[in-house]
Amino acid sequence: GAVVSQHPSWVICKSGTSVKIECRSLDFQATTMFWYRQFPKQSLMLMATSNEGSKATYEQGVEKDKFLINHASLTLSTLTVTSAHPEDSSFYICSARGTGDYGYTFGSGTRLTVV
Amino acid sequence: DAKTTQPPSMDCAEGRAANLPCNHSTISGNEYVYWYRQIHSQGPQYIIHGLKNNETNEMASLIITEDRKSSTLILPHATLRDTAVYYCIVMGNNNDMRFGAGTRLTVKP
Repeated sequence: GAVVSQHPSWVICKSGTSVKIECRSLDFQATTMFWYRQFPKQSLMLMATSNEGSKATYEQGVEKDKFLINHASLTLSTLTVTSAHPEDSSFYICSARGTGDYGYTFGSGTRLTVV
Repeated sequence: DAKTTQPPSMDCAEGRAANLPCNHSTISGNEYVYWYRQIHSQGPQYIIHGLKNNETNEMASLIITEDRKSSTLILPHATLRDTAVYYCIVMGNNNDMRFGAGTRLTVKP
């Protein structure tokens, strides 16, 4: 089945620094990947849609200059949280549409803690 | 702007069937019903999906009403490892996947 690998699984960074999160489709090509954010005890919120070779589409209220998305190949999308602040601490999850009609396959998530 | 309504929480005894309801009264003819679950601090896991016919796989069964306005996910023999948040999602092909609040299922010994 379709597998999506997300790295790192957790990261702690200092306020003001940038953090990059990688999302890879291991056994299929994904022209479109999605990035979600999840705060404690809340549901997943779609942040942006990442399209291979073109600019990402951001949801309303998501700062595109703060959350930089790059989808340079059919198997890799990256999310960079720039100038991170404590309020950016959250669980970030990526997904990609797999083969067939099995909806989307999700990565295991990245827990970001900004101190 | 989730298109589904689910109870916030449910309990189920271990070994018994867990029946999780979902209302999706505004579903369109070309939209599927997907079920995912999320175990704490992990990414969502695909369970099952359907269009209008009932579906069954090794994990669960999906019962969709004839008018397609509601569905029920059935875990036939719940185990403690089935404790998770279960999300019912309505989505057409090539659409993005948006999550509602889900149902927190607790399986008790």
